[in-house]
Amino acid sequence: GNSVTQMEGPVTLSEEAFLTINCTYTATGYPSLFWYVQYPGEGLQLLLKATKADDKGSNKGFEATYRKETTSFHLEKGSVQVSDSAVYFCALQDSGAGSYQLTFGKGTKLSVIP
Amino acid sequence: SAVISQKPSRDICQRGTSLTIQCQVDSQVTMMFWYRQQPGQSLTLIATANQGSEATYESGFVIDKFPISRPNLTFSTLTVSNMSPEDSSIYLCSVLLAAGTNTGELFFGEGSRLTVL
Repeated sequence: GNSVTQMEGPVTLSEEAFLTINCTYTATGYPSLFWYVQYPGEGLQLLLKATKADDKGSNKGFEATYRKETTSFHLEKGSVQVSDSAVYFCALQDSGAGSYQLTFGKGTKLSVIP
Repeated sequence: SAVISQKPSRDICQRGTSLTIQCQVDSQVTMMFWYRQQPGQSLTLIATANQGSEATYESGFVIDKFPISRPNLTFSTLTVSNMSPEDSSIYLCSVLLAAGTNTGELFFGEGSRLTVL
């Protein structure tokens, strides 16, 4: 079956530090990959996505590249801000089965301190 | 994108009671899902809500405990029946937009936070 493994949190960084949150996946087909973000007290929002190998998703300074050879989709940001404090979820969607449902990682809580 | 409204946003419930959560979307959608997020955990798919027919449940979830309705394309309800403290979670509605506006991503409501005493 499909699965997503994220690095364990919580992660605490100082403002302007470099961020990497690792994500690897297992899938039977060729999934689409997503990063969702959940700010304190809010619902999930799509941060970025990639639908095929070597695609790079980017948004709000965050980037992630779909690496088929390493089955990875690591999230990076060059300079984090306090406002980036949130829980980040990596997810895959195996739409080849026609279901479109998402399989999520366990989430990584990021805290950015001034 | 889509605006997804969930009601209630939060509730405190007594053991043994049932609560129905509503999900209303402002645009046509093809698929609707219900997820559960237990405290400090990731999201787990409960079921796919099918219009006009029985929902499709994931392993570990049954209709008697989580009855779901979807009478039309833009509305669904999830009932959490005979609640126990283990049902304390955030329940999220998620949608896939209709063809033509569908970019493959799922949109989520803000969730309904249930606490069972």
